[in-house]
Amino acid sequence: DQQVKQNSPSLSVQEGRISILNCDYTNSMFDYFLWYKKYPAEGPTFLISISSIKDKNEDGRFTVFLNKSAKHLSLHIVPSQPGDSAVYFCAASDRGGSEKLVFGKGTKLTVNP
Amino acid sequence: DARVTQTPRHKVTEMGQEVTMRCQPILGHNTVFWYRQTMMQGLELLAYFRNRAPLDDSGMPKDRFSAEMPDATLATLKIQPSEPRDSAVYFCASGPLNREEQYFGPGTRLTVT
Repeated sequence: DQQVKQNSPSLSVQEGRISILNCDYTNSMFDYFLWYKKYPAEGPTFLISISSIKDKNEDGRFTVFLNKSAKHLSLHIVPSQPGDSAVYFCAASDRGGSEKLVFGKGTKLTVNP
Repeated sequence: DARVTQTPRHKVTEMGQEVTMRCQPILGHNTVFWYRQTMMQGLELLAYFRNRAPLDDSGMPKDRFSAEMPDATLATLKIQPSEPRDSAVYFCASGPLNREEQYFGPGTRLTVT
């Protein structure tokens, strides 16, 4: 039973355009969400997060949107750069006493020059 | 520059052999996680420690896998005996207490022939 789903295995965009990565979750107990970026042969690195009390969090070119009623979140990258090419993982947590994260399977983003 | 370190980075072994992977978490972090990444399953949580105590190892095949934290600076993941289906990249991550952000090591790529 996959609790965090990233339905698009890959996404290709042009440099300078917007990249939108999507994530859906099924567990209504999740109340904190994170995005990680992973380059080949490296471990995932934390990118941005959002608490369920918010619907938007912004950090430079990266914005995460949360729609609790739809159990959906998205990561927007504007403008996209070739260095953003990586695998992006969505993760979710139930903050009730545990630091565990549940990860999606990832979306490979390719930004073409 | 605090980082999670993992050794070895690559391991090739024959079926039936014991494999030990090591992780040094970031100094001061109280939580340690072991993950396995495969193409089919994405990032799967294998084990989770808080203050060196194992809290969750439900993701781990119990008959062949074991995880320990002999001290605060070392976490180990052992597979005995190894099987070809164990071939994957194994990541260790650490994090501060009561925080969801986890910091990943570079991973150990295991190949079992």
